[in-house]
Amino acid sequence: DQQVKQNSPSLSVQEGRISILNCDYTNSMFDYFLWYKKYPAEGPTFLISISSIKDKNEDGRFTVFLNKSAKHLSLHIVPSQPGDSAVYFCAASGNDNNNDMRFGAGTRLTVKP
Amino acid sequence: DGGITQSPKYLFRKEGQNVTLSCEQNLNHDAMYWYRQDPGQGLRLIYYSQIVNDFQKGDIAEGYSVSREKKESFPLTVTSAQKNPTAFYLCASRPMGLAPRNEQFFGPGTRLTVL
Repeated sequence: DQQVKQNSPSLSVQEGRISILNCDYTNSMFDYFLWYKKYPAEGPTFLISISSIKDKNEDGRFTVFLNKSAKHLSLHIVPSQPGDSAVYFCAASGNDNNNDMRFGAGTRLTVKP
Repeated sequence: DGGITQSPKYLFRKEGQNVTLSCEQNLNHDAMYWYRQDPGQGLRLIYYSQIVNDFQKGDIAEGYSVSREKKESFPLTVTSAQKNPTAFYLCASRPMGLAPRNEQFFGPGTRLTVL
């Protein structure tokens, strides 16, 4: 039972353009959402998070948008750079200690020079 | 240099053998986690521990065992009871305290192949 879904296994964009990665969730108890980035042969690293009391959180080139009514969040990267090429995981939690975190299957982003 | 180490990076075992995956952190984090990743799937939680000498089952604990004798270490044993042990295993840790929603920090992972 996948409670967090990333329906696009891969995405390719041109350098300088916007990358939009999408994530859907089914559990309405989730109230905290995170994006992780993973390079080959390394563990995932935290990128950005958002609490359900917000609908947007921005950190430099990265912005996460949350639409609670649609149970949908997205990660925008503007402008995209070749170094952003990686696998991006969406994660969600509804527990105060984040011990119930659920991850999506990931989207492989390729940014072409 | 603070971080999480997992060893070895690649591990091969014969079917029916138990195998232990190492996870060590020097970040002074309270909580530690083990996840499994299979192709086309998200990370799935195997076990987690919030304090020394205590751990809880995750979604897919069957066929696995853990121990938490020291704060820095959280080894995972894949037993012969695990039906499909070949996978990529990730260990993570997280500080708790004043910011309980802190993100998890991940190690580089161990790819286990059972022949």
